[in-house]
Amino acid sequence: DTGVSQNPRHKITKRGQNVTFRCDPISEHNRLYWYRQTLGQGPEFLTYFQNEAQLEKSRLLSDRFSAERPKGSFSTLEIQRTEQGDSAMYLCASSARPAIPGELFFGEGSRLTVL
Amino acid sequence: GQQLNQSPQSMFIQEGEDVSMNCTSSSIFNTWLWYKQEPGEGPVLLIALYKAGELTSNGRLTAQFGITRKDSFLNISASIPSDVGIYFCAGLGMDSNYQLIWGAGTKLIIKP
Repeated sequence: DTGVSQNPRHKITKRGQNVTFRCDPISEHNRLYWYRQTLGQGPEFLTYFQNEAQLEKSRLLSDRFSAERPKGSFSTLEIQRTEQGDSAMYLCASSARPAIPGELFFGEGSRLTVL
Repeated sequence: GQQLNQSPQSMFIQEGEDVSMNCTSSSIFNTWLWYKQEPGEGPVLLIALYKAGELTSNGRLTAQFGITRKDSFLNISASIPSDVGIYFCAGLGMDSNYQLIWGAGTKLIIKP
């Protein structure tokens, strides 16, 4: 049974460095989502892919953030020139087609700490 | 932007007690969902509601989609230790089929 897999699980970096997270969705899911979650808050939507196409991107997402899903399978989320405010849990989720609206399968997350 | 107000923020209850939490919004949602998150894990879907007035159960959990489409509640009956975690409401609004809006969560702590 392979659920959504994310790595690394934890990343500590210095301010100004670039970081990249990887997400491997459930294999038959064509929809993939990135969310960010800070302590005491619910997840905040970042971006959404259907196959390799990035169909929706949060207006809150700065241009330091970029996500790709080159072959419609795994996805990467890169943060350039990290800032302390980027410290958070980055959650990846996937869903099946036809999707049950709102039914997402989440990975365990990648926790980023920016010093 | 859209926000969901979830209450209470946390609950300390005795094992066996019933639990009730709710979520309200200033705008209409087409879909209400309840997720649970345990430490070190991503959220897991518990119940999804798609129609105003709908009442849906999943074991000891019952959730309702408010008639005004601006609120939802979740009840847990006869709580047990494994119910511990953070419960989130989430909604899908009028302007996106993909972008879930989330509440801040209700942390449930059960005293043995």
